[in-house]
Order: sequence, then structure tokens, then C-alpha cells
Amino acid sequence: GAVVSQHPSWVICKSGTSVKIECRSLDFQATTMFWYRQFPKQSLMLMATSNEGSKATYEQGVEKDKFLINHASLTLSTLTVTSAHPEDSSFYICSARVGNYNEQFFGPGTRLTVL
Amino acid sequence: QKEVEQDPGPLSVPEGAIVSLNCTYSNSAFQYFMWYRQYSRKGPELLMYTYSSGNKEDGRFTAQVDKSSKYISLFIRDSQPSDSATYLCAMRGGGTSYGKLTFGQGTILTVHP
Repeated sequence: GAVVSQHPSWVICKSGTSVKIECRSLDFQATTMFWYRQFPKQSLMLMATSNEGSKATYEQGVEKDKFLINHASLTLSTLTVTSAHPEDSSFYICSARVGNYNEQFFGPGTRLTVL
Repeated sequence: QKEVEQDPGPLSVPEGAIVSLNCTYSNSAFQYFMWYRQYSRKGPELLMYTYSSGNKEDGRFTAQVDKSSKYISLFIRDSQPSDSATYLCAMRGGGTSYGKLTFGQGTILTVHP
């Protein structure tokens, strides 16, 4: 149980375009989802926390107008990178938590390359 | 100073060796401690979760927490080539920070046959 999927697993896009990444909890309802980004050989950096039905809470330094997060249901959260630029190229990983359960379950990640 | 410090390695050991991975932290509000394993180009996988000082064992893995010293460790016994991965420590507090994890940099481990 506790499987989190992400789609797509990798994407290549041109600079200036927008990219949407989906995060789904497959066998549980996720009241909270988290979005991280990870640069090569670096750790995960939390970008934002989203609760179903409410606005996401962004970490300091993360542009909320550039990284749009929607958590429309208990099993789906989306991250849209708007007007992507090469410096946005990274590994984006989501995680999901159910209720007050302490564990976060991570998705497999999405590798974004902006040309 | 980072809230969580972890030696990035890389660490290379022979098969069968005992591996010791460590993290130190500065935020005394951290109450819950986790170790994740991450294979290349994959999401992190939870290995161990602890919330009290002392040892917790699960198979070949032992997690150790010393809150007085703000120091946590993960020991891997009888290491296998399949243990080759990046190991991330993570921790969080309670209250308003509930759920938000702070990660260490990750230690790259290679176990060679």
C-alpha cells in the first residue's frame, strides 16, 4: 500500500513553455501533499505544502506565480511550471501524507529538462 | 549553519561490511527522525522512522538517536551491493511544523562485491 505515482516521469520542453506534473496517491487519500525539487547530487528542497481544497503554502524563495500548485482532490495534486527556463531544469518529487500519520510517501519523481 | 548536516561521502565499502551513516542537527525542535534510501533517478524510500532516543532495529538496519547530542545514525549490517544508493536523513518537529521534513544532504554509498 501507500503508493504515490507521478506523471510524466520525464519531460523535455522549450524555454517559455509551461509544464504540468501530476502526483497521485493510488491507494490512499492524501490530505497533504508536498512538492520538492532536487538538483544533481543535492538533497531535497521543499517547495510547497498543499492541503486538499486550500491554497498551497510556499517556502521562502519559491515563486508561487511560477510554480502553480493545485490540490483539487484527495488523490491528485498538480505542479505547473509556468514559462519554464533552463534554470528550472531539475528533478521534481512529490510526497503524500494521510491524516495525522507521520510518514510521507514519495513519488518516483519527474525529471524536467528545459532547453 | 545548515539545520541538518550530513557527510555527503562518497562512501565505498566491501560487501559484508558494517556501514555507519550519520547526521547532526541544530534545531532542538526536531522530534521525529527518518532515514530514506534513494536510488538514482528515483524517489526516496522510507527505511526507518524513530521519535525517541535510543536504538531501533529492523532487519539489517539499526537507527540510533541521541537527542542530547543532536546526533542520529543509521547502521547497515552485512551490507550488500543492492544497498548501493544515496541515504538521506530527514527530521521534523511537531506543532505548526507538522509534516514539513528537513533533509540532510545525503550520503552516497557504494557496496562493491
